[in-house]
Amino acid sequence: EPEVTQTPSHQVTQMGQEVILRCVPISNHLYFYWYRQILGQKVEFLVSFYNNEISEKSEIFDDQFSVERPDGSNFTLKIRSTKLEDSAMYFCASGPWGYTFGSGTRLTVV
Amino acid sequence: EDQVTQSPEALRLQEGESSSLNCSYTVSGLRGLFWYRQDPGKGPEFLFTLYSAGEEKEKERLKATLTKKESFLHITAPKPEDSATYLCAVQAPLGGTSYGKLTFGQGTILTVHP
Repeated sequence: EPEVTQTPSHQVTQMGQEVILRCVPISNHLYFYWYRQILGQKVEFLVSFYNNEISEKSEIFDDQFSVERPDGSNFTLKIRSTKLEDSAMYFCASGPWGYTFGSGTRLTVV
Repeated sequence: EDQVTQSPEALRLQEGESSSLNCSYTVSGLRGLFWYRQDPGKGPEFLFTLYSAGEEKEKERLKATLTKKESFLHITAPKPEDSATYLCAVQAPLGGTSYGKLTFGQGTILTVHP
């Protein structure tokens, strides 16, 4: 069964550092998404990406965040200057049919 | 703004004791209602999508139903391995300014005791 693959599974970073979270979506999907889940809270939408550009973003997705599909298969989320409150699980998903999530990257900002 | 509320927040069952989880929603336009299972430290695992009121879908011990305002996830004769957090989410329609984002509820933590 096709999978969405995310790397790394866990990343620890110092506050103020830049991190890049990587995702390989399902190959024939056209819509790509990033979500995050702070411990004990709801899964929250960050951004959707379609036709090689951002199609929708939430209030959370401010100037410190960016997304890219650099080579037609990978899909990345960059957080430019991490804050303590960015600590969360970050999930990549592709869809819209079936809407499959990856296993997530646990980001810990110290 | 789309809103999703799940109840109860937590549910403890004995093995074999059937029950239902509720998902109430308020949306401006619904393309689909999704049910996911989430194990600790893992990503949501897709279970069902429902598109129209009256629709039902089944998978093993789980059955999902949909009305115009809520969805139910019925669990028949649960086993300990069914213990997980069950998430409900509504999907906005594709097109216009929306590209199918999901709005999640807070989840129901299900624990099934042997």
